[in-house]
Amino acid sequence: DTEVTQTPKHLVMGMTNKKSLKCEQHMGHRAMYWYKQKAKKPPELMFVYSYEKLSINESVPSRFSPECPNSSLLNLHLHALQPEDSALYLCASRLTSGSGLSYNEQFFGPGTRLTVL
Amino acid sequence: KQEVTQIPAALSVPEGENLVLNCSFTDSAIYNLQWFRQDPGKGLTSLLLIQSSQREQTSGRLNASLDKSSGRSTLYIAASQPGDSATYLCAVRGAGSYQLTFGKGTKLSVIP
Repeated sequence: DTEVTQTPKHLVMGMTNKKSLKCEQHMGHRAMYWYKQKAKKPPELMFVYSYEKLSINESVPSRFSPECPNSSLLNLHLHALQPEDSALYLCASRLTSGSGLSYNEQFFGPGTRLTVL
Repeated sequence: KQEVTQIPAALSVPEGENLVLNCSFTDSAIYNLQWFRQDPGKGLTSLLLIQSSQREQTSGRLNASLDKSSGRSTLYIAASQPGDSATYLCAVRGAGSYQLTFGKGTKLSVIP
């Protein structure tokens, strides 16, 4: 298995809803990332988990809550979002050790298109 | 703070042409540089990764070069095809950092 999967592909939610985005990889990668991408903009880093511990939080509002329950799974819990949070949310992973180039390469999932009404 | 610039922002070429996409970065203390492709509304597909100690990497019709001292990378696409139409993003990982800093991308259209 050489891919990062994300569910759901699309999500529409109201500002009072609670929802979660899910990301999964079975490549043995121990670094996992959440990015947010607005239309016609590059991805912006939100969170980094390394060995299931949160290592970077790029000053993301608390209405976004990441969780890494195990080495294969990364969640992003959403609560009380604003319409401006509508974006493509991308998950990525990276092998953290090994020889050659492979451990440096970030692999991205297809993203979840989130719309907040 | 690292800044990554990609020129041009958009490029349209006829099928079969060879083309070059440019990426520049302000801080030469990088760990690696990665080129991605993104189709509309989709995730990113990694194309090539160049370590800071390397000069170039090749994959099929793609060749990426890196000149760390001048803060530049190029992505060369040979014999372009309509299926190459996408946005191409360059991203730099700083030395000692987990993070990628992305350019804004070059939107490529290959006309049949």
